[in-house]
Amino acid sequence: DQQVKQNSPSLSVQEGRISILNCDYTNSMFDYFLWYKKYPAEGPTFLISISSIKDKNEDGRFTVFLNKSAKHLSLHIVPSQPGDSAVYFCAANRNDKIIFGKGTRLHILP
Amino acid sequence: DAGVTQSPTHLIKTRGQHVTLRCSPISGHKSVSWYQQVLGQGPQFIFQYYEKEERGRGNFPDRFSARQFPNYSSELNVNALLLGDSALYLCASRPWTSGGKWPYEQYFGPGTRLTVT
Repeated sequence: DQQVKQNSPSLSVQEGRISILNCDYTNSMFDYFLWYKKYPAEGPTFLISISSIKDKNEDGRFTVFLNKSAKHLSLHIVPSQPGDSAVYFCAANRNDKIIFGKGTRLHILP
Repeated sequence: DAGVTQSPTHLIKTRGQHVTLRCSPISGHKSVSWYQQVLGQGPQFIFQYYEKEERGRGNFPDRFSARQFPNYSSELNVNALLLGDSALYLCASRPWTSGGKWPYEQYFGPGTRLTVT
């Protein structure tokens, strides 16, 4: 039973354009959401997070949007850069237990 | 500052053997969590330790155990290895903030790649 779902295994975006990565969740008790980025042979790196009481959080080129009624969040990267090519994990917290989605591989095309 | 370190980097074991994986958190971080990442999946929570006590456990069999030492480093032990235990094992640390509220952002090590044959 996947509580955090990333339904797109991969996404290709032109350099300079906007990348939008989506995530759905099923448990309304999640109180905090996070995005991590992972390069090969490295551990995941924290990118940005959002509390369940907010609907938007922005940090530089990265913005996370939360739609609680739809149980959906998205990560926007603007503008996309070659170094953004990586696997992105959506994660959700409840009772200090963090549950990850399967990830979306983002390819930034030149 | 050094990040989270894990050892060994790679490991090959035979079914039925046991394995010990090690993790050193970022200096000042008192909490360590362990995750298993199978190919094509996201990291799956195994254990969380804080101040040498287990604070959380995921849905893993009793063959998996862990402990945290006074210097906040941690070991993950897996007994009676199965082929399905082949995975990347990730350790993550995070600090304890004043007021007792957890920051949810964790800092991951590079992982230990375990192959069971």
